[in-house]
Amino acid sequence: DGGITQSPKYLFRKEGQNVTLSCEQNLNHDAMYWYRQDPGQGLRLIYYSQIVNDFQKGDIAEGYSVSREKKESFPLTVTSAQKNPTAFYLCASSMRYRAGNEQFFGPGTRLTVL
Amino acid sequence: AQKVTQAQTEISVVEKEDVTLDCVYETRDTTYYLFWYKQPPSGELVFLIRRNSFDEQNEISGRYSWNFQKSTSSFNFTITASQVVDSAVYFCALSEARDNYGQNFVFGPGTRLSVLP
Repeated sequence: DGGITQSPKYLFRKEGQNVTLSCEQNLNHDAMYWYRQDPGQGLRLIYYSQIVNDFQKGDIAEGYSVSREKKESFPLTVTSAQKNPTAFYLCASSMRYRAGNEQFFGPGTRLTVL
Repeated sequence: AQKVTQAQTEISVVEKEDVTLDCVYETRDTTYYLFWYKQPPSGELVFLIRRNSFDEQNEISGRYSWNFQKSTSSFNFTITASQVVDSAVYFCALSEARDNYGQNFVFGPGTRLSVLP
């Protein structure tokens, strides 16, 4: 089955620790995205990647980092510099980084900082 | 500048009622795309529909229908004979083309729909 997988589903982190969220897709999509969702809120774009070995900051990139070494994978690292990292993180992909391309989403990772 | 407004934060209906979720957008472009996504309690967003700015035909898919009106910059979503499984957060989104074949993709704040048995 083609789709997007995210792991882990739930993640707990102590303050001051970096943590990496995994996102893998087997849809052969060029573009991938990371969004953050706070309770009762909409989606905010953290980073996106148009193609392998490329990525760009979104609206709220501070305290986050990404890499795109393989087409299928777009991991997100939440660093200790992120002031309020507790949130629901969603990864998405689209065939191209073009207007009109629908984004397909993974099941999400819920991160809680203790 | 672009913006997507979903003025209804939360809606509650009783099963079998019809319900309409409103979406109003702002854009200066003549070519753009509109989307609706459903986010059930599990959290994953599910794509429902895409509409481009040149196609104002209404669309019906089972109990779902969409009304796109460029004159009022609206792309409303109606669920007929709602069911408990329709309970979710629904997001409207707008995508515009940008230079070098890029895009600007913006989600609205979402409407939480609760369908009561």
